Amino acid sequence: DIQMTQSPSSLSASAGDRVTITCRASQSISSYLNWYQQKPGRAPKLLIYATSDLQGGVPSRFSGSKSGTDFTLTISSLQPEDFATYYCQQGYSTPYTFGQGTKLEIK
Amino acid sequence: QVQLVQSGAEVKKPGASVKVSCKASGYTFTSYYIQWVRQAPGQGLEWMGIINPSGGSTNYAQNFQGRVSMTRDTSTSTVYLELSSLRSEDTAVYYCARAPFSSESSVDYWGQGTLVTVSS
Repeated sequence: DIQMTQSPSSLSASAGDRVTITCRASQSISSYLNWYQQKPGRAPKLLIYATSDLQGGVPSRFSGSKSGTDFTLTISSLQPEDFATYYCQQGYSTPYTFGQGTKLEIK
Repeated sequence: QVQLVQSGAEVKKPGASVKVSCKASGYTFTSYYIQWVRQAPGQGLEWMGIINPSGGSTNYAQNFQGRVSMTRDTSTSTVYLELSSLRSEDTAVYYCARAPFSSESSVDYWGQGTLVTVSS
């Protein structure tokens, strides 16, 4: 199985900050990488698919990129509603494994 | 609008089986995959498998092989997840989720989740 390692596991930031979350794949996954946002008690929400394609309705402050097997989710200017847990997921081969999550908290 | 409505919470004893349903509406049922993903309390997301509602083909995560079954009923646009030989570690919220054929890993709609509690 492909392992996805996310960092950091938690992050404190303030509204207006620029934040980056990284996900490293244990092998090449091409650009088959998704990012989800999850708030407590809710189902996850797709933010970005195929590394950098923004899901419909997702604000443009969210963006994704890659360098080799390292993938990055960037939030350009944090808004209060962005405080949540973020997960990456590889879509290259089954099982479509997730990273362990990054909890973004208010500083 | 697209909806995935799951069955209600379950409490099961160790060794028992559970069957969770996921009823789809608002789109063509046979034109999208359904994945199942679970989340233990306070933990991350775990991918369980995927079913193609059109032909019924499935692909299960190795972790669940032999214990999991995903089926569908096209007459009611419902997908089912059955997990057998339950143990306490199976206590989790189970989500069904829709993914397009063009990008089968990218879930665009999720069910509300079904809490399965395994306890003696």
